[in-house]
Amino acid sequence: NAGVIQTPRHKVTGKGQEATLWCEPISGHSAVFWYRQTIVQGLEFLTYFRNQAPIDDSGMPKERFSAQMPNQSHSTLKIQSTQPQDSAVYLCASSSSSYEQYFGPGTRLTVL
Amino acid sequence: GQGVEQPDNLMSVEGTFARVNCTYSTSGFNGLSWYQQREGHAPVFLSYVVLDGLKDSGHFSTFLSRSNGYSYLLLTELQIKDSASYLCAVRDQSAQGLTFGLGTRVSVFP
Repeated sequence: NAGVIQTPRHKVTGKGQEATLWCEPISGHSAVFWYRQTIVQGLEFLTYFRNQAPIDDSGMPKERFSAQMPNQSHSTLKIQSTQPQDSAVYLCASSSSSYEQYFGPGTRLTVL
Repeated sequence: GQGVEQPDNLMSVEGTFARVNCTYSTSGFNGLSWYQQREGHAPVFLSYVVLDGLKDSGHFSTFLSRSNGYSYLLLTELQIKDSASYLCAVRDQSAQGLTFGLGTRVSVFP
């Protein structure tokens, strides 16, 4: 079991460019979560999929951020027109239960 | 709305104990989790509580008082390697994602 896989581990973009982050959940886990973490705000929930269907995106900035889960083996988080305030570590987590989430190593996004 | 509060830092001595406090406010409590996060690494699940009382998991124990919106994580027989940030996270009945506190950095000294 390789755990949750996230790629890339580090990404640097220029202001206004697009960034796509990838997540491969643990095989057999039906739930996938995206969070972002900064020093100031801590860990913030972004969006949640269950059995590939989007269930809750209440934490997603409505403009520029989108997430998809085209199949059970991967999910993507896309940020259009990146801004410096988008700089953060983006964490993906998967779960097979209602309470225990397994986090990936994260993607550190730096927007210059 | 929801809020989760934790102290920023906690220092303790190897072989003793550390208690990490967490207070929360939520409109529909549906469980509280504790995670450990080492610098540069992902959070790792430690414990989940939904009923009042003390849950003993050996090296880690967790307490919950729903009426007071309060929980603590108790680390016993501290080791240097227990130095990490400990995150408290609350789940609301109306949401699927967890609301995290900023974490408490626990430093264990010889």
